[in-house]
Amino acid sequence: EDQVTQSPEALRLQEGESSSLNCSYTVSGLRGLFWYRQDPGKGPEFLFTLYSAGEEKEKERLKATLTKKESFLHITAPKPEDSATYLCAVQAGTGGFKTIFGAGTRLFVKA
Amino acid sequence: DTGVSQDPRHKITKRGQNVTFRCDPISEHNRLYWYRQTLGQGPEFLTYFQNEAQLEKSRLLSDRFSAERPKGSFSTLEIQRTEQGDSAMYLCASSYTTQKETQYFGPGTRLLVL
Repeated sequence: EDQVTQSPEALRLQEGESSSLNCSYTVSGLRGLFWYRQDPGKGPEFLFTLYSAGEEKEKERLKATLTKKESFLHITAPKPEDSATYLCAVQAGTGGFKTIFGAGTRLFVKA
Repeated sequence: DTGVSQDPRHKITKRGQNVTFRCDPISEHNRLYWYRQTLGQGPEFLTYFQNEAQLEKSRLLSDRFSAERPKGSFSTLEIQRTEQGDSAMYLCASSYTTQKETQYFGPGTRLLVL
């Protein structure tokens, strides 16, 4: 069964303290892996899509990487405004376009 | 491009009542998804449409739930005989059909069943 596991569940950082979030996945042929940011009470905001192992994408202080079993979201020198829940999702290459989300990592960045 | 919109943003209802939510996707997006999200969890897939055709429906979706997209534009999600366990955020997302698609989400409708 397709599955997505994110770790840690919560992460507390000081401003400027770089770290990484992990997304491990099991899927029958990966069509795409997605990263979203979600603020409390709002819908997820799209960050990145990765399609194949070895692919990397960057946006401001965020960088996403992909291997055959997991993805990392690296946060460099975070700021308090980076505090949010970061969601990882996968779409399998078989079974239509059903998308499976992980439970998310809640990031808190303290000034 | 005004993004995905959802209406209402909040809904409070009593157990046993029916509720209906509306989603307007980004124009020209032909694929539309519905998700449910409870506190501390990621969005849970419910169903998706390609144009007006409902192509997949989660096994978790009971027969009290029904979704339509009659003209391939906006979509409605109806919950009949609501239960307290239906309390959640209902999210809609849309995308344009390609092999490498990205889903864009609306702000969600928060449902509270008393």
